[in-house]
Amino acid sequence: SAVISQKPSRDICQRGTSLTIQCQVDSQVTMMFWYRQQPGQSLTLIATANQGSEATYESGFVIDKFPISRPNLTFSTLTVSNMSPEDSSIYLCSVGYRGTNEKLFFGSGTQLSVL
Amino acid sequence: GEDVEQSLFLSVREGDSSVINCTYTDSSSTYLYWYKQEPGAGLQLLTYIFSNMDMKQDQRLTVLLNKKDKHLSLRIADTQTGDSAIYFCAESTSGGKLIFGQGTELSVKP
Repeated sequence: SAVISQKPSRDICQRGTSLTIQCQVDSQVTMMFWYRQQPGQSLTLIATANQGSEATYESGFVIDKFPISRPNLTFSTLTVSNMSPEDSSIYLCSVGYRGTNEKLFFGSGTQLSVL
Repeated sequence: GEDVEQSLFLSVREGDSSVINCTYTDSSSTYLYWYKQEPGAGLQLLTYIFSNMDMKQDQRLTVLLNKKDKHLSLRIADTQTGDSAIYFCAESTSGGKLIFGQGTELSVKP
C-alpha cells in the first residue's frame, strides 16, 4: 500500500481567499485523483491529476476554480480558489497503481471550512 | 450513467454479523471496493473483489458479488464497537476512477 501525506489536515479560511492542499506519496504512483466530500455526502471526483500535463476535470469542476499541479509521480497539489462557504468540504487525495489490481488508496483528507 | 446505491443506516449489536448491501449499474466495472471511514478520518480500503469472482473472504470480512443482479454485499462477522463507521461501496470505471455510493453508517451497540 501507499503512504499518503496530505497537508493541511484542516483549515478555516475566509471567503474570497484561496487554499492549496498538498498530497505527497512515499512511492511513485501511476494514478492520482482529487475527490471532494461535502458534509454528510459521498465522495465526488473533482479531477485526475496528470503528471506533466493539465488535469482532467469531471463535469461541474473547472480549472479556474480548482487548479491542480502534478510535477512528478509522487506529488500533487489542489488549490481551491476564491472560496465561498459552499466549498466547505473534505478534500481527499487518492493514488493508485495501474496494473492487475487497481487498488486506490486515500489520504486522510483536508477538512476545509470557509467562513 | 454510473450509479451506486446503498442503504444509509445499519444498527447491530456487538457480536452479531453485519451485512451492508450495495447495488451498482456499470456492468463493465472491473473491480468493486469497500472502504471504511471513521469520524474525522480519510478512507481506508477494506477489501475489493474482481468482477469475475463471486466471493472473497478476508478474516472477518466476506464480500459477495452477484454480477447478474449487480449486487455487492459486505458481511462483517462478530461485529465490534470499533467497527462503527461509515462504509462506502465503490465501482471502478475507465481510467481508474471510482464511483462511490452514499455510504452506510454502521452503528454497533454494546
